Amino acid sequence: DAGVTQSPTHLIKTRGQQVTLRCSPISGHKSVSWYQQVLGQGPQFIFQYYEKEERGRGNFPDRFSARQFPNYSSELNVNALLLGDSALYLCASSFGPGQGETQYFGPGTRLLVL
Amino acid sequence: AQSVAQPEDQVNVAEGNPLTVKCTYSVSGNPYLFWYVQYPNRGLQFLLKYITGDNLVKGSYGFEAEFNKSQTSFHLKKPSALVSDSALYFCAVRDSNYQLIWGAGTKLIIKP
Repeated sequence: DAGVTQSPTHLIKTRGQQVTLRCSPISGHKSVSWYQQVLGQGPQFIFQYYEKEERGRGNFPDRFSARQFPNYSSELNVNALLLGDSALYLCASSFGPGQGETQYFGPGTRLLVL
Repeated sequence: AQSVAQPEDQVNVAEGNPLTVKCTYSVSGNPYLFWYVQYPNRGLQFLLKYITGDNLVKGSYGFEAEFNKSQTSFHLKKPSALVSDSALYFCAVRDSNYQLIWGAGTKLIIKP
């Protein structure tokens, strides 16, 4: 079975631009979460979606938004990019949002903002 | 507030020796604990988790972790290290809002 897939793998943008990152979960998984990982740090939670509904939001500004589609794939949008948005963006999927659920991660999208 | 601490930025072990990567946590309620590994320029790979039951959890690639409630620790262990185990290891705990709270990571270096 295919794992979590993310596109694109790398992206270069300039300050003020907008970016859309995409994620396809493992087949059968209905929950998708997004994380930001800055070099040298652990991931920081951005969003979680389950059955197309937002189930959680981390401490990120409103420039960050996401959605989940009927096929459970997801998009993360970041507007008005700042230099500090440069990071590895990770998508994870799980069957559901429960506390014991294991999240499986994609390879990430590396975003560089110049 | 829930938190995770990985007190060692880096752990160096000779190949064939046992390894331990430390993790301590702070949660309200029952802890749900996870270990992941990250290879360079790769996403995170799940190793093992503790939900309830036996304090010794066995996971992928020969790794195991020992849950200690009194010490609020969840240390990752392996009896005999391989050079290929060299990577970045993250401990995480599920918070009351069902989100994963992550440690800063520990770089594991296995020397031949």
